[in-house]
Amino acid sequence: GQNIDQPTEMTATEGAIVQINCTYQTSGFNGLFWYQQHAGEAPTFLSYNVLDGLEEKGRFSSFLSRSKGYSYLLLKELQMKDSASYLCASMDSNYQLIWGAGTKLIIKP
Amino acid sequence: GAVVSQHPSRVICKSGTSVKIECRSLDFQATTMFWYRQFPKQSLMLMATSNEGSKATYEQGVEKDKFLINHASLTLSTLTVTSAHPEDSSFYICSVKGDRDYEQYFGPGTRLTVT
Repeated sequence: GQNIDQPTEMTATEGAIVQINCTYQTSGFNGLFWYQQHAGEAPTFLSYNVLDGLEEKGRFSSFLSRSKGYSYLLLKELQMKDSASYLCASMDSNYQLIWGAGTKLIIKP
Repeated sequence: GAVVSQHPSRVICKSGTSVKIECRSLDFQATTMFWYRQFPKQSLMLMATSNEGSKATYEQGVEKDKFLINHASLTLSTLTVTSAHPEDSSFYICSVKGDRDYEQYFGPGTRLTVT
């Protein structure tokens, strides 16, 4: 079956670094996505990894290991506005997104 | 990327009535659109894939007669929830498939509450 696992909730301190992990099992693989979703809003695109390795984009970086079915999203210099849910999604062989339930990130001052 | 709008952003309707949600691609010719549903604290679930000018493809467990999808133009797809019930209350999100297979651009979502 197809499955995406990520922690339900994480807490971090403003200015710190946090890593959100995601493991996936899908029928075929066409990339791993990270989205940010604030309460009551639609997801917004953060990153897309299809090759192994680290992709850095400003304060956010995303890592992929296809052999391990593993990805993480790294957020640096955390700001209060980063409080949101972070959704991991794997694209299967039919180019359909299989979504995780999201990790709620709580930032404390 | 494409700019996608949804209307209405919030709607409250009575049980047994029907409600239509519009998804518009403002600056991109959307051959393919997707409709998702998200219950609180749960992941997005794909309901159907909508292709312009043809019938939508529904995911397993989604009733096509209850969730009517019309994609009559390259800029508009509509989802009609017929005979709505309280359990249909959810966050409905559409997305537009971009030029590349892995690209999707999301609308802002519609919060449906059925009383």
